[in-house]
Amino acid sequence: DAGVIQSPRHEVTEMGQEVTLRCKPISGHDYLFWYRQTMMRGLELLIYFNNNVPIDDSGMPEDRFSAKMPNASFSTLKIQPSEPRDSAVYFCASSLVPNQPQHFGDGTRLSIL
Amino acid sequence: TQLLEQSPQFLSIQEGENLTVYCNSSSVFSSLQWYRQEPGEGPVLLVTVVTGGEVKKLKRLTFQFGDARKDSSLHITAAQPGDTGLYLCAGVDGNAGNMLTFGGGTRLMVKP
Repeated sequence: DAGVIQSPRHEVTEMGQEVTLRCKPISGHDYLFWYRQTMMRGLELLIYFNNNVPIDDSGMPEDRFSAKMPNASFSTLKIQPSEPRDSAVYFCASSLVPNQPQHFGDGTRLSIL
Repeated sequence: TQLLEQSPQFLSIQEGENLTVYCNSSSVFSSLQWYRQEPGEGPVLLVTVVTGGEVKKLKRLTFQFGDARKDSSLHITAAQPGDTGLYLCAGVDGNAGNMLTFGGGTRLMVKP
């Protein structure tokens, strides 16, 4: 079975540029989560979707961050404009229901210069 | 939001040693999950504990859920370099839509 697929695996760009991260959840999973991980702050939940609808985006740090889920098999996290402090590893995860184990992708390592 | 504190934050030991890491909260969780994350990968589920006082074993790893379902521990016997990684606990908050709350993690390094 294919797991959660994220792309790109690595992204290096200059500050001010738009960054788009992509995620394909496991088929049949109704919940999709976007996390950011840093050494200082650990794993932070940014936003999650249920059946393609954003439910809680209170973890999104600023208006520069936006996320969409146009269909059950695809989600994007966009940062525009990007800043050096956005550098982190961004994970996408999916699950059947919220209290069941989450399946994580391998993450996108983002570096903003 | 319920907070989960993990300790220690960092642990470096020699191969063959035993260790215990802790996951504590002042609030009750309906269940608790443990994940391990290896470098360059996402967290992977190790175990879920549901009942207060429950003990689960996974080879050399022993997981325990506190009687009051506020805390949990992970004990590793005879640690091996392959155990190196970030260990994360995550509690299910029944009062918040059954959402997961992750702890800050324990970063373990096992030296050969």
